[in-house]
Amino acid sequence: SQKIEQNSEALNIQEGKTATLTCNYTNYSPAYLQWYRQDPGRGPVFLLLIRENEKEKRKERLKVTFDTTLKQSLFHITASQPADSATYLCALDITGGGNKLTFGTGTQLKVEL
Amino acid sequence: GAGVSQSPRYKVAKRGQDVALRCDPISGHVSLFWYQQALGQGPEFLTYFQNEAQLDKSGLPSDRFFAERPEGSVSTLKIQRTQQEDSAVYLCASSARSSPGRNQPQHFGDGTRLSIL
Repeated sequence: SQKIEQNSEALNIQEGKTATLTCNYTNYSPAYLQWYRQDPGRGPVFLLLIRENEKEKRKERLKVTFDTTLKQSLFHITASQPADSATYLCALDITGGGNKLTFGTGTQLKVEL
Repeated sequence: GAGVSQSPRYKVAKRGQDVALRCDPISGHVSLFWYQQALGQGPEFLTYFQNEAQLDKSGLPSDRFFAERPEGSVSTLKIQRTQQEDSAVYLCASSARSSPGRNQPQHFGDGTRLSIL
């Protein structure tokens, strides 16, 4: 069956460290992968989009990698801050039409002082 | 405001009642999406509009769910004869036009939390 897996256990890290979140997928060959942030009681907020022909994408303290051979994306937050605490969702466009996102279950990140 | 607006933010209904959830997308956004999010899960796709045309409704769980966007702007998600399993957060998102070669980020509202008693 088609599946997108994110670590369901919460990730607790110390302020200033790098947080690394994983998104694994099976049975897809997505052309794009997106990462979103979701705070409690709020809708997801778009962070980054990476295409299949891009190995890595950066935006300020954020970095995303996309390995289509391993069927895996890694999401890194460097110099993490308590304000980075949230749930992070990866999403794939499995149809290729650009219109329908399939989301993982999300990983909750908590950055502690 | 400039973002996606959803109303009401909270809705409590008795089992068997009909409910209507509203979404005001970002002005000029062609694409509009509805998702359902259960507690602790990621959003699950329900349906998609491009302008007023409903191009994909494959995620609607049953024929009790109906969505419309008659003028290509505001959209309404209607659930008839609600059941307890319909309790969830219903998220609306909008985006500029996407295509196979041009994937667009989606902009989400804060959702409507629906509780069926």
